[in-house]
Amino acid sequence: EDQVTQSPEALRLQEGESSSLNCSYTVSGLRGLFWYRQDPGKGPEFLFTLYSAGEEKEKERLKATLTKKESFLHITAPKPEDSATYLCAVQTRRDDKIIFGKGTRLHILP
Amino acid sequence: GAGVSQTPSNKVTEKGKYVELRCDPISGHTALYWYRQSLGQGPEFLIYFQGTGAADDSGLPNDRFFAVRPEGSVSTLKIQRTERGDSAVYLCASSLTGEGAQYFGPGTRLLVL
Repeated sequence: EDQVTQSPEALRLQEGESSSLNCSYTVSGLRGLFWYRQDPGKGPEFLFTLYSAGEEKEKERLKATLTKKESFLHITAPKPEDSATYLCAVQTRRDDKIIFGKGTRLHILP
Repeated sequence: GAGVSQTPSNKVTEKGKYVELRCDPISGHTALYWYRQSLGQGPEFLIYFQGTGAADDSGLPNDRFFAVRPEGSVSTLKIQRTERGDSAVYLCASSLTGEGAQYFGPGTRLLVL
């Protein structure tokens, strides 16, 4: 069964304290892996797409990496405005279905 | 703006009533998705349109749920005989071709009393 698991469920960091969020996946064939940011009461906001193992993407304080089994979202020197829920999703080759994880709630303390 | 829009933003209805939720995708996007999101959960896939046709409706929970996209642009999600368990945020997303990034609307918060 295709599955996406994110960890940790929640993470509290001090401002400037770097860390990583994990997204583990099992799919019959990966078309792409996506990271989204979701603020309370809003729809998910697209961050990155990764297509193959070894690929990396960066945007400001965020960097996403991909292996054959998992992806990491690295957050460097975070600021309070980085507080949000970060969602990981995979798209399967078999039927283009998108499967989301439950997300990691990130809270950056000033 | 050029983003995905959804109406209404909030909908309160009574158990047993019929509701329609509307999604306006980004102009030119051929793929349109509907998701349902409950508190503390990730979005749950409902249905995927490629153009006017439903390419995959395997996520619709039962036959009370139906969606259309008659002209390949705007889509309507229809829920008959609503139940309290249908209460959730209904999200719509579009993508250019069906591969790659999806762009989400703000969602419709449905509350069934």
